[in-house]
Amino acid sequence: GQQVMQIPQYQHVQEGEDFTTYCNSSTTLSNIQWYKQRPGGHPVFLIQLVKSGEVKKQKRLTFQFGEAKKNSSLHITATQTTDVGTYFCAGLHSGYALNFGKGTSLLVTP
Amino acid sequence: IAGITQAPTSQILAAGRRMTLRCTQDMRHNAMYWYRQDLGLGLRLIHYSNTAGTTGKGEVPDGYSVSRANTDDFPLTLASAVPSQTSVYFCASSPVVRTDTGELFFGEGSRLTVL
Repeated sequence: GQQVMQIPQYQHVQEGEDFTTYCNSSTTLSNIQWYKQRPGGHPVFLIQLVKSGEVKKQKRLTFQFGEAKKNSSLHITATQTTDVGTYFCAGLHSGYALNFGKGTSLLVTP
Repeated sequence: IAGITQAPTSQILAAGRRMTLRCTQDMRHNAMYWYRQDLGLGLRLIHYSNTAGTTGKGEVPDGYSVSRANTDDFPLTLASAVPSQTSVYFCASSPVVRTDTGELFFGEGSRLTVL
């Protein structure tokens, strides 16, 4: 079936270092969304990308959607301990529901 | 406070028992979803509903059933629970059917343990 692959599965960084997670699909996506889940919490929407090559920024977070609309990335500049959590991408191929990647768990050490 | 309410928060269940996880939203969203989250497997869609009166199967529907009698409620039923259904279950809703321009709003989750 259609899947959204996400790498890496885990990432451990020192506070102040940068972090990037990647999302790939074998088929073209209508859009891609990113969510953050804090430990013990529920996923919370961060952003949606729709256009080919789209780049959006939220403070230290930069989101990109590939030209072919098959891949996306989330980059965090100068991580902080508040960035700890699992980041999920979710792609809409067609139909009515998002397919989530397995997530990247980020640990930030002070 | 508007949002999604799930119940119970946590439940331990004997294998073979029937269990219904409740989900209610007060945002008048058309679409609702049930996901299960397991370590290392991310969020997997169980069932969804585009609007009241309609439901559809997701990636892992076996052993689960849903109903959507009205806009606000979307219960998930395990007819005869098995240990492999031990998981954290999240209900979510979206204001649009295709989620082309809509985000998912998640409930707090229901942690289910089947022994």
